[in-house]
Amino acid sequence: SQQGEEDPQALSIQEGENATMNCSYKTSINNLQWYRQNSGRGLVHLILIRSNEREKHSGRLRVTLDTSKKSSSLLITASRAADTASYFCATPTGGGSEKLVFGKGTKLTVNP
Amino acid sequence: DVKVTQSSRYLVKRTGEKVFLECVQDMDHENMFWYRQDPGLGLRLIYFSYDVKMKEKGDIPEGYSVSREKKERFSLILESASTNQTSMYLCASSSTGGHRDEQFFGPGTRLTVL
Repeated sequence: SQQGEEDPQALSIQEGENATMNCSYKTSINNLQWYRQNSGRGLVHLILIRSNEREKHSGRLRVTLDTSKKSSSLLITASRAADTASYFCATPTGGGSEKLVFGKGTKLTVNP
Repeated sequence: DVKVTQSSRYLVKRTGEKVFLECVQDMDHENMFWYRQDPGLGLRLIYFSYDVKMKEKGDIPEGYSVSREKKERFSLILESASTNQTSMYLCASSSTGGHRDEQFFGPGTRLTVL
C-alpha cells in the first residue's frame, strides 16, 4: 500500500546549490518522516514533522508540511558531495500501528 | 550509540535452500521489522513484530516466515529460496515510547539466489 510518493525520482545538482525534494501522501497522518540512504546501506532517520507543525529545521535541512495539500518538502541547503544519497519520506499506516509506509525515494547526486 | 546489526552484508544461496537472516538490536525496542528493497519498488514490509513471539504479516509475506524468541533478535526465514527473492533485505526496530515512530535500520543484507 503506497502512501508517500517522492518527486522528482532523480535530481542532480552542483555542490553549494540547494536541493528540494517533495513528497505527496494520500491519507491523514499524525507525522511525516524523512530518511536518507547511502548507496547499498540502511536508512538513516533525518527528521520528523508532526501534523500540527508547518516547518522544521535541523542543521542544513528544512522540512515543510502542508496537510491541506497532503504534501511535504525537504530542502537541503548548501549541498555537499557527501549529501549524495537517496531520500525517502515515510508516513505511519495509522490506526495506532507502529508501521510506516515508505515512498520510492528521490536519488540525489551532488557533483563536486 | 544505538545499533541494529544484520548477520551478513552479502549472501549467495541456491534455489531451494533454507535461508536465515538474523537481526539484532541493542536498544530494547519492542518493535522490529523486515523489509525488502527492490529497484523501482521502494521498501516493502515483509513482517512486523511488536513483542516477543508476536508477529504480523506485512504487504508481501508470501515465501517468508519470521521468528522472535528474544526481544533483541528478529529472524527472517526463507523456507525454500527462489530467484525472485534476490533482493536487499533491511531490518529495522522502533520503540513504543520515547522516540516512537522513528525506525532505526541495520546496514542491510544483499541476498542473491542462484
